[in-house]
This record gives sequence, structure tokens and C-alpha cells, in this order.
Amino acid sequence: QKEVEQNSGPLSVPEGAIASLNCTYSDRGSQSFFWYRQYSGKSPELIMFIYSNGDKEDGRFTAQLNKASQYVSLLIRDSQPSDSATYLCAVLVLDSWGKLQFGAGTQVVVTP
Amino acid sequence: GAVVSQHPSWVICKSGTSVKIECRSLDFQATTMFWYRQFPKQSLMLMATSNEGSKATYEQGVEKDKFLINHASLTLSTLTVTSAHPEDSSFYICSAAGTGATNEKLFFGSGTQLSVL
Repeated sequence: QKEVEQNSGPLSVPEGAIASLNCTYSDRGSQSFFWYRQYSGKSPELIMFIYSNGDKEDGRFTAQLNKASQYVSLLIRDSQPSDSATYLCAVLVLDSWGKLQFGAGTQVVVTP
Repeated sequence: GAVVSQHPSWVICKSGTSVKIECRSLDFQATTMFWYRQFPKQSLMLMATSNEGSKATYEQGVEKDKFLINHASLTLSTLTVTSAHPEDSSFYICSAAGTGATNEKLFFGSGTQLSVL
């Protein structure tokens, strides 16, 4: 049973529109959540992390966390072609600083 | 600039040879380093957790005798793929975690693409 789940996509988004990415996790005790962006052949780069219920905004990115529903999402506003990548949701494993469990990733394609 | 250096970035080797990948934290002490493997179009799968000065902890299904991990200092961990075979071809990524009130950092290396012929 997968513990971090994401839709694999691809998610096609017109340039300038909002991309909405979803992630669910199975461990109800999880506290910290991360969104990474990964370009093909490259290492993941951190976009945002969130650990409190609600919204967290950073530039064009907004992360949303609902621990009751075990759900975390990422919104990308004003999507640009350079946002085309795979977005990985990761959950910090309890009692293990730095150990992440990743979802399979959602591929986002921003079309001009 | 990069705070975790991973080397080499790519390597091609013949089947049966061993390959060593280095992961260095450049400006912080990494008490723990993690090694991940990623096959094409799949997510990162944790292989092992490496703590400085102790034996690595391997995830289920990862052969510890095949993937040798050494974490001899707070800034360096190495992964050696012994007797590599084509099915070991993958993207290997390390991450380094610092601990302590002023050192809770987590950074990824740039990855190593291993191709075994």
C-alpha cells in the first residue's frame, strides 16, 4: 500500500492559468510536508514545506494542508512554461529528521 | 551554490565492475545522510540511512552487501555499487541532514546517473 499518493498526470495547464496538485498520505501522525520540483535528469529542488493546517504562500506557490483529511496540495498561479516539471510530494517520516517518503510525482506541462 | 556535492554526476561502467559515489556536505555537519534511487518516470525510493560512525540502515529489499555505504565523517558519505549489473542502472541521489537547533538543514545532492553496460 502506497503511503504517499499523487496523481501521475500529466497535468496540462495553459500558460497563465493555475495548476492544482494534490497529495494524500496514510500516516495520520505525519507533521511535516514538502513539495519538490524535479526536472528530467536533475535532483529535486525544494519549493515549499508546510506543517500547520491552512495555507502557506510563497510567491506564485501556495501549499495547503488539511491534517484531518490527510491531504496536502500545491497551487501554482500564473503558470509559466518553465514550471513544466514533475512535482513530488514528500512526507517527513516520524522520529527521523531528514528521512522523506515521496509520492510518485505529478508531471505538469504548461502549454504556451 | 550547492551545499551538498555529489560526485560523479554520471558514470558508465561495464557489468561486473564497482562504482563509488560520493556525497559531501560543504558547509554544515551532516549527522545523517540518505541514499535514494530513482528509476525512469518513478519516484525516489529510499535505499538506506547513513549515520556518521555507525552502520547504515537499509530499507527492505535493498541488498546491503551490494550497496556498501560508508559514513566516516560528518561531511562525507559514500555509496559503492559492487559488481554492478544493467538492472542497477538508475539515478542515485543523496541527501544530507544536519541536526541541532541551529543546524536543522536538509539538502539534496545533484544526483548520479549510473549506466551499466
